[in-house]
Order: sequence, then structure tokens, then C-alpha cells
Amino acid sequence: QKEVEQNSGPLSVPEGAIASLNCTYSDRVSQSFFWYRQYSGKSPELIMSIYSNGDKEDGRFTAQLNKASQYVSLLIRDSQPSDSATYLCAVYPGVKAAGNKLTFGGGTRVLVKP
Amino acid sequence: SAVISQKPSRDICQRGTSLTIQCQVDSQVTMMFWYRQQPGQSLTLIATANQGSEATYESGFVIDKFPISRPNLTFSTLTVSNMSPEDSSIYLCSVSGVGGYGYTFGSGTRLTVV
Repeated sequence: QKEVEQNSGPLSVPEGAIASLNCTYSDRVSQSFFWYRQYSGKSPELIMSIYSNGDKEDGRFTAQLNKASQYVSLLIRDSQPSDSATYLCAVYPGVKAAGNKLTFGGGTRVLVKP
Repeated sequence: SAVISQKPSRDICQRGTSLTIQCQVDSQVTMMFWYRQQPGQSLTLIATANQGSEATYESGFVIDKFPISRPNLTFSTLTVSNMSPEDSSIYLCSVSGVGGYGYTFGSGTRLTVV
């Protein structure tokens, strides 16, 4: 079983619509959760981080975390063609955890169609 | 967040040769990480580079194949040794923020082995 799972997509979204990306993780003690955006041929870029249950909004992005369900999501409102990229979910167990390293999901490819 | 300079940005190498990738950070960091991203795949951690001690390798990666140096708190190198076409990937260095938050990535090295 993969530690961090994402639907690989592609998730096709019309311009202006909301893109909804999901991520589940297996390690219940995970503390920190990140969303990275990766354009083709580029390195990952951190766009959102979330550490406590609930929603966190930053511009057109909203991250949602539910630790009881081991689930984190990313909403992209008013999607633009420039949002077309692969979105990587990453989970960090905490500085005191054994093997305290960032683990990535497989990524979800998003295509925003004009 | 830290600024990372990684070079070379890309290279085409003959099988059986070695390539050393350099990663320079603009601030002192405790841990640096080396990732591999194979075509169409997510990121896989190769090893954690610790200053003053040997690197810690993940399962499936060995020092003889991927020797790492970490001479100080701002610099690290990863060597890909005795290359084969299967080593063709993007190699990324990364550093963590305080408490493991918000990993930042270098621009990556796109390696093609022919």
C-alpha cells in the first residue's frame, strides 16, 4: 500500500471552474501536509501547507485537512490555463518521527481548458 | 525560503561514466535531500545528506552507485556512478525549512544516459 495516494488524472477542468484534488495518507501520526505544483520540465514549487484540521485559504487555493479520515485536498477556484500542471501531495511525519522525511504522492495532472 | 542553485541543468552522458551534480544553498541548512524523478513519475528520495557524517540512503539506493558529499552546511554533491540508460531521470536537491516545513527544491538536473 502506497503511503501517500493521489488520483493520477488527468483532471480536466473548464476555465473558470473549481478543480478539486484529493490525497490520502497512511501514517496516522503525520503532522504536516503540503501541496506542490510542478510544471512540465520544471521542479516542484510549494503552493500550500496545512498543519491543522480545517480549511486554509491562500488566494485561489484552499487546502482542506481531515486527520481523522487521513485526507487532504486542494481546491483551485476560478481555474486558469496557467494552472495546468501536475500537483503533488506531500506528507511530513514530524521532526521526532523515525524516518522523518517528506513523502510524495504520485501527483495529479490537471488540464484547464479555455 | 532558501534559494538553491543546482548544476548542471542537464547533461547527456555515455553509459559507464559518472556525473556529479552540485547543489549550493544561500543559507546554512542542517539537512539536504536528493530526489530522483523518473519520466512520468513522482519524486523518490535517494538519500539525506548530513553535514559531518555519512549520508543516509533509502531502500534501493546504495553509496557505491550514488556517493554523496556534504562538506559544509551550504553545499552538497550527488554523483551518479557507472551510469546506464535506466539512470536517465531528473535529479533534484532539496532543503527543508524550520521544523521540516516547506521543502524547497533546486531547479533539477535532467540526465540522459545513452
